Amino acid sequence: DAKTTQPPSMDCAEGRAANLPCNHSTISGNEYVYWYRQIHSQGPQYIIHGLKNNETNEMASLIITEDRKSSTLILPHATLRDTAVYYCIVRVKGDKIIFGKGTRLHILP
Amino acid sequence: GAVVSQHPSRVICKSGTSVKIECRSLDFQATTMFWYRQFPKQSLMLMATSNEGSKATYEQGVEKDKFLINHASLTLSTLTVTSAHPEDSSFYICSASLAGGQQYFGPGTRLTVT
Repeated sequence: DAKTTQPPSMDCAEGRAANLPCNHSTISGNEYVYWYRQIHSQGPQYIIHGLKNNETNEMASLIITEDRKSSTLILPHATLRDTAVYYCIVRVKGDKIIFGKGTRLHILP
Repeated sequence: GAVVSQHPSRVICKSGTSVKIECRSLDFQATTMFWYRQFPKQSLMLMATSNEGSKATYEQGVEKDKFLINHASLTLSTLTVTSAHPEDSSFYICSASLAGGQQYFGPGTRLTVT
């Protein structure tokens, strides 16, 4: 079973920041938080991952709470091309990925 | 870098026939490859994990005699759906793992069994 809880869907206006929450209250000390997204009829795309520090790359920022029980993925300036299902996953590096239901993000023009 | 390809991208086959799907890591050697299946409006479901040169490990409920996985090299894994039936129609996705755990996913193969 997936170890994360995400809202089933969210809307965000184009150009605004999209903040996608994820709860992972049973995360273990050696488990990382990973985010992937899947655009319709494509394979999942890696976005970002982190252990306990906040992380930023060219796609997004990942904010992890101090107790590591939840995190937020931030897309700073959402575009229509960011419409996708976003998956938050916790796993030990090298372990298989078990997908939950994810959050369906709709970017509104 | 880290590109994974799948072939074919879509295939239609008749009930009772077998179909082979290829997964290749184009610019890296993948110690481990994974196969997923996704039905419409559902999440990806892990079917099996394969390591080069050894037998695949199947998830509970996945029939190993129906879904044959061969991982003959560090850049190629194949999934053969044997005696396909309409209920096997699905989107099949592979991923390949770099040393250190990062997984990269292929674009998927849409299988339709008529």
